[in-house]
Amino acid sequence: DAGVTQSPTHLIKTRGQQVTLRCSPKSGHDTVSWYQQALGQGPQFIFQYYEEEERQRGNFPDRFSGHQFPNYSSELNVNALLLGDSALYLCASSPNPRGRNSPLHFGNGTRLTVT
Amino acid sequence: AQTVTQSQPEMSVQEAETVTLSCTYDTSENNYYLFWYKQPPSRQMILVIRQEAYKQQNATENRFSVNFQKAAKSFSLKISDSQLGDTAMYFCAFMKPRNTGTASKLTFGTGTRLQVTL
Repeated sequence: DAGVTQSPTHLIKTRGQQVTLRCSPKSGHDTVSWYQQALGQGPQFIFQYYEEEERQRGNFPDRFSGHQFPNYSSELNVNALLLGDSALYLCASSPNPRGRNSPLHFGNGTRLTVT
Repeated sequence: AQTVTQSQPEMSVQEAETVTLSCTYDTSENNYYLFWYKQPPSRQMILVIRQEAYKQQNATENRFSVNFQKAAKSFSLKISDSQLGDTAMYFCAFMKPRNTGTASKLTFGTGTRLQVTL
């Protein structure tokens, strides 16, 4: 049973560039959430996708956007990259709606470095 | 808004010994969920244990147990018979339950780095 998979594993970008991160949820899950984990910090909620729509959003600027595809996989896009966007980006999936209060299943993350 | 505080940036314990990681939180909710997640160097967040606020009994999972003090808003994790594989970052997390709509989001603390030594 495949868990949550994320790609790429590592990424280096320059300030001002755009980046796209990808996530495939665990088999049987249809809701995908994205978290940003800065160095030495706990993860912070960015947004969540279900039925190809953004359902919840954390305190992140519009430079952060996403998409969910019919197969439940998801992309996180960040435009006009800043040095402060350097972080580990974690994807988490959950079943819905029956699993709305279930623990999330996380991927191994994408390490983004902005230079 | 909910906040989660972990006041121990780093902890160290010898193999086979017991260690307790602290977590406090602030919320006005009466019903909620609390979690401990482990993040080893592989970076994946792994669920260790879960506690539902309406249950008075403390959750246990093999060598892991919690001390949930609702009035004090405290949620500590006890690891018994520590093993080298327990070396990791440990995050305490809060989740406000939802009765409708999509899955709930997690609010995390800043983590405690646990080192298990020989």
